Amino acid sequence: DAKTTQPNSMESNEEEPVHLPCNHSTISGTDYIHWYRQLPSQGPEYVIHGLTSNVNNRMASLAIAEDRKSSTLILHRATLRDAAVYYCILRGGSARQLTFGSGTQLTVLP
Amino acid sequence: DAGVIQSPRHEVTEMGQEVTLRCKPISGHDYLFWYRQTMMRGLELLIYFNNNVPIDDSGMPEDRFSAKMPNASFSTLKIQPSEPRDSAVYFCASSFGQKNSPLHFGNGTRLTVT
Repeated sequence: DAKTTQPNSMESNEEEPVHLPCNHSTISGTDYIHWYRQLPSQGPEYVIHGLTSNVNNRMASLAIAEDRKSSTLILHRATLRDAAVYYCILRGGSARQLTFGSGTQLTVLP
Repeated sequence: DAGVIQSPRHEVTEMGQEVTLRCKPISGHDYLFWYRQTMMRGLELLIYFNNNVPIDDSGMPEDRFSAKMPNASFSTLKIQPSEPRDSAVYFCASSFGQKNSPLHFGNGTRLTVT
């Protein structure tokens, strides 16, 4: 599986936007970019996914570089509840499973 | 929808004992996954099923681990005999079969083997 690289940790102030980066220079043409997050003492939860175009949903936005070698998860207005580990995952076109890396621990400061 | 339900939430057992973890997937989902999470190794896929049939068990650590899915609404992960290094949080997840369907995770079972 192609790998992703994320910063180990990031901090953000409450009510400010957060940009979480992910590098995936070996991404293949059929790999989708998925983001999950894991709140303390909970299982991971789906956030968003995309292939080439930027994507928006009620939780976040996903900005994908034109060459697809990097992407950014955008939380438009961080809340304390957004403090979690965020995982950027490449998922092959036919893959049903997810392979998790170490993710980014996001701390939101009040 | 109650989501993926795992039981028990916490399990403490002694080395050598048999441990059975249980999972009820979301109704209608045809894929079921078992993951293990430790500080050292992060989240690891152990095994996954499609329509109750094991598809990939290459992540199962050794013969002490076994998983079954007797029907579409129930799966078990068994460890016999258990060892202290099996201490971890075990997550079950389920999903629909369509491409890119998100995985829905339960809240996990925290296993401690003393």
